[in-house]
Amino acid sequence: ETGVTQTPRHLVMGMTNKKSLKCEQHLGHNAMYWYKQSAKKPLELMFVYNFKEQTENNSVPSRFSPECPNSSHLFLHLHTLQPEDSALYLCASSQDFGGGAPDTQYFGPGTRLTVL
Amino acid sequence: DAKTTQPPSMDCAEGRAANLPCNHSTISGNEYVYWYRQIHSQGPQYIIHGLKNNETNEMASLIITEDRKSSTLILPHATLRDTAVYYCIVGNSGNTPLVFGKGTRLSVIA
Repeated sequence: ETGVTQTPRHLVMGMTNKKSLKCEQHLGHNAMYWYKQSAKKPLELMFVYNFKEQTENNSVPSRFSPECPNSSHLFLHLHTLQPEDSALYLCASSQDFGGGAPDTQYFGPGTRLTVL
Repeated sequence: DAKTTQPPSMDCAEGRAANLPCNHSTISGNEYVYWYRQIHSQGPQYIIHGLKNNETNEMASLIITEDRKSSTLILPHATLRDTAVYYCIVGNSGNTPLVFGKGTRLSVIA
């Protein structure tokens, strides 16, 4: 148990569906991250939020829309996805991204997404 | 792109020390060496990090060469639960997001 939870753990959706992934951290951290991990590929950073403000968008297609209402919650809204978007989506949090000191990331268990 | 080179896979006998190498010849002065691991179907887990001195915690030891161009993660007494992909990452997580490479798949064998 890392203090970062993700729901749902598994999700199957059609290309025309709209769904959302939820991440919650109970660590009092100020930074939150979304990563994508496709089969046999390294983790790819998607978005970074620090103090609720988006600080990184790693050229992610607009069919992925993040939302960070407060420092404890992070959402990833999904719409009109493609089968190649099927992957493990991981959320992470850290104390204070951008503060200059090494900042350990704590990861959630991930949501396994399948797009049909 | 990841700035590190790791062997794709390694085996280790249960109870023996697992020594995982990492080359990072282009590391710059303010960059740290971080190690994470990912057990199958779980999120990555932080292990240890260091700048230039050797570091030890309850999970592992990190040995960094004097020129900082390579390092070794040591799991002193590997168990079956240490079977995972181990990522060596160079960067400064306080300023820029860490970039994960392909890592080393460590298999601990009974």
